Amino acid sequence: AQKVTQAQTEISVVEKEDVTLDCVYETRDTTYYLFWYKQPPSGELVFLIRRNSFDEQNEISGRYSWNFQKSTSSFNFTITASQVVDSAVYFCALSEYNYGQNFVFGPGTRLSVLP
Amino acid sequence: DTGVSQNPRHKITKRGQNVTFRCDPISEHNRLYWYRQTLGQGPEFLTYFQNEAQLEKSRLLSDRFSAERPKGSFSTLEIQRTEQGDSAMYLCASSESPGWYNEQFFGPGTRLTVL
Repeated sequence: AQKVTQAQTEISVVEKEDVTLDCVYETRDTTYYLFWYKQPPSGELVFLIRRNSFDEQNEISGRYSWNFQKSTSSFNFTITASQVVDSAVYFCALSEYNYGQNFVFGPGTRLSVLP
Repeated sequence: DTGVSQNPRHKITKRGQNVTFRCDPISEHNRLYWYRQTLGQGPEFLTYFQNEAQLEKSRLLSDRFSAERPKGSFSTLEIQRTEQGDSAMYLCASSESPGWYNEQFFGPGTRLTVL
């Protein structure tokens, strides 16, 4: 069955530190997508990135980077030089092509960036 | 387009009452999703529509829950005979087709409190 695990419930860092949020998934499918979403204190989920199962290239977008490793079923998210505005809950999600085309979200990691 | 909107933003009701929530998706999106989110958890999938057709329902969606999207535009989610366990944030999202690999855009949610 689909499953997404985010083992870190809460993380606190001081501004300008780098932080990595872990995501481990389970899937029966060979064709799937992984997503990261941010939920700031205001509450609305904001899409950050998606990655398909056939593309293991890492991606960098400004201070954000993502590391996808099929061998370990992980899709980790790193924020470099964190800022207070990065404080939010971050969710990893999985969508499978052949087993229900809905998103399965992990429990989320609450990131607090302290000034 | 201003994104996905949901009304009401907050609803307080007494146990046993019926409630109805509305979601207006991004106009060009033909996929519409409903999720439930409880404190400290990720969104849990409830159901989704492709235009006016309801294509999938989670086992979480008991008989007391019903969703409609009569003209393929806005959607309503009704909960009959509410129970205290129904207290949660109800999220609506929309996306382009096919939905399994397109990012979903989320609304601000409707927070339901059942007394």
